[in-house]
Amino acid sequence: GENVEQHPSTLSVQEGDSAVIKCTYSDSASNYFPWYKQELGKGPQLIIDIRSNVGEKKDQRIAVTLNKTAKHFSLHITETQPEDSAVYFCAASIGISNTGNQFYFGTGTSLTVIP
Amino acid sequence: GAGVSQSPRYKVAKRGQDVALRCDPISGHVSLFWYQQALGQGPEFLTYFQNEAQLDKSGLPSDRFFAERPEGSVSTLKIQRTQQEDSAVYLCASSVPTSGGLTGELFFGEGSRLTVL
Repeated sequence: GENVEQHPSTLSVQEGDSAVIKCTYSDSASNYFPWYKQELGKGPQLIIDIRSNVGEKKDQRIAVTLNKTAKHFSLHITETQPEDSAVYFCAASIGISNTGNQFYFGTGTSLTVIP
Repeated sequence: GAGVSQSPRYKVAKRGQDVALRCDPISGHVSLFWYQQALGQGPEFLTYFQNEAQLDKSGLPSDRFFAERPEGSVSTLKIQRTQQEDSAVYLCASSVPTSGGLTGELFFGEGSRLTVL
């Protein structure tokens, strides 16, 4: 099955700096890669996703890059703000809805933005 | 409500008791997932429904775990004879496919935190 690894497990940055979180996956059949933000006591919330037919996607201060050959993808947050502090999870899946596909999650990165 | 609703939010059970966790997905969402999240870990897949059909239950850790979605909307995760290792947050998520049949965004509930004493 799929194995998703995520680094680092904790990350502290100064407000205004950039944060980068990296994930690798093992199954070349995976082609949908969402990123989730989880605040304390809440469920994960999708912040950005990318499918394997593109190499990069950007949404305001958040961007995701995908390298299919190397089987890794990264989350980039620029101009970080204290409200970005949370746990971030990457995930990988086959991305086809009728296959009963699973989402495989990384172990999470706890991001702290220091004011 | 507009989001995925889970109940109870918190459940304390004595070892050996049976528990039932409920998930009310977003109306119209055909796909429903259950995940188990241990402290400090990412969500781990338990089972997946498409409408009322349970298409994948490969993540259920033992035969003490059972899930159903009889009418294709509300789902219940039942854990029989709970053990301490069952203590975790149980997350439910729902989604609707894109127009191209691809997996859409997962919308998670806030989870049910189970503590087994």
